[in-house]
Amino acid sequence: NAGVTQTPKFRVLKTGQSMTLLCAQDMNHEYMYWYRQDPGMGLRLIHYSVGEGTTAKGEVPDGYNVSRLKKQNFLLGLESAAPSQTSVYFCASKSGEGGTDTQYFGPGTRLTVL
Amino acid sequence: GQNIDQPTEMTATEGAIVQINCTYQTSGFNGLFWYQQHAGEAPTFLSYNVLDGLEEKGRFSSFLSRSKGYSYLLLKELQMKDSASYLCAVTDSNYQLIWGAGTKLIIKP
Repeated sequence: NAGVTQTPKFRVLKTGQSMTLLCAQDMNHEYMYWYRQDPGMGLRLIHYSVGEGTTAKGEVPDGYNVSRLKKQNFLLGLESAAPSQTSVYFCASKSGEGGTDTQYFGPGTRLTVL
Repeated sequence: GQNIDQPTEMTATEGAIVQINCTYQTSGFNGLFWYQQHAGEAPTFLSYNVLDGLEEKGRFSSFLSRSKGYSYLLLKELQMKDSASYLCAVTDSNYQLIWGAGTKLIIKP
C-alpha cells in the first residue's frame, strides 16, 4: 500500500515549456486535490476532483489544467510555464465529502521555472 | 474573506511544553485539523476537532472553541524530532480545507 505517490519529485523548466505532474493513489479515494505551497503562505488549492471524470477549480487555477480519467490518477498540467509557478506541488486524496475525512498527501514535486 | 492566523515561528526547549495557537474566520465550519510538516516533506495528519473541548493523543493535545474561532495544539515533553511546521486548517461550509501559513517550531537542546 503506497498511499499517494507523485512523479516527478523534482523538475526544472524554462519559461514557456509545458509539463504534466502525475498523482496516483491506491486507497480507492474519491476526492483528489492539487495544492501549491510557497514560503510564508498556506497551502493553496489549484484544482480538485470529487470523483472519476470530474474536475473543479480551486483558489488559484489560472495557468493549470487537470484531468481525472481514472479514479486512482489525477494529472496536473502546465501548458506554458511561468516563473511565478515555481513552487512545491502537493497532491492529496481523501475518501469522501465528510468533514472528518483526513486528507493524505503525496511527497511533493519541487518545480523551478527559469 | 476567509482567514486563518498562526504565529510564524516559535522556539522551545527539549523536554518542555509548547502551545501553538490558531484563530480562524471562515464561511462556515465543519471541523479543524492540525497537520505536522517536517522540512522538505509532506504534511501528515495530527488531530481533528469538530466539537468544543480538548482532544488528547499521547504527547499531543488539541483544543477547540467554536464560539471564539480559536484552537491550540499543545505539545508536551518536547523531543528534537518535534522540530517541524505545524499547519492549522479549517473545513468550511463547502467542505474545502482552508489552510493557515503554518508555525515553524524550533526545539533547542
